[in-house]
Amino acid sequence: GENVEQHPSTLSVQEGDSAVIKCTYSDSASNYFPWYKQELGKRPQLIIDIRSNVGEKKDQRIAVTLNKTAKHFSLHITETQPEDSAVYFCAAPDNYGQNFVFGPGTRLSVLP
Amino acid sequence: NAGVTQTPKFRILKIGQSMTLQCTQDMNHNYMYWYRQDPGMGLKLIYYSVGAGITDKGEVPNGYNVSRSTTEDFPLRLELAAPSQTSVYFCASSYRGDEQYFGPGTRLTVT
Repeated sequence: GENVEQHPSTLSVQEGDSAVIKCTYSDSASNYFPWYKQELGKRPQLIIDIRSNVGEKKDQRIAVTLNKTAKHFSLHITETQPEDSAVYFCAAPDNYGQNFVFGPGTRLSVLP
Repeated sequence: NAGVTQTPKFRILKIGQSMTLQCTQDMNHNYMYWYRQDPGMGLKLIYYSVGAGITDKGEVPNGYNVSRSTTEDFPLRLELAAPSQTSVYFCASSYRGDEQYFGPGTRLTVT
């Protein structure tokens, strides 16, 4: 089955700086990679995703890059703001895309 | 659209009791999932379903059961509750197995 690793487990940045979170996956057939944000006490919500036919996708201050050869994908947040503070999870498909394996999460703190 | 709804929001169970966590979605999604999230940890898949009448085990199915008699509903049954089942339970749905929409969660304590 799929195995997803995520680094770092915690990340603190100053407001306005950039943050990068990296995930690696094991199944070379995986073709869809979402990122979820979970604020304290709330449900996870999708913030951006990427399919394997593109190398990068951007949505305002958030971008995701994918390197299929190396089997890793990264979340980039620019000009961080206090409301970006949350736990971020990456995920990759498992079992022929019938379900997903989530990474262990990265706790991002944006310091004012 | 209400999206994905879960009941109850909170529950305290005694060891050995049983209960059913309810999950309903009104988006006509085929895929539905149950996860548990222990404090400070990630999401572990308990069971999932790719359509009415079809269910399959995830990573941590022991102590749980599910059914999927309709597209909308995907209840999770806990039999003989144990302290190790203390967790937050999230239900999620997806139209075609990509973006997942999560419910608000059920916080369960077993004492």
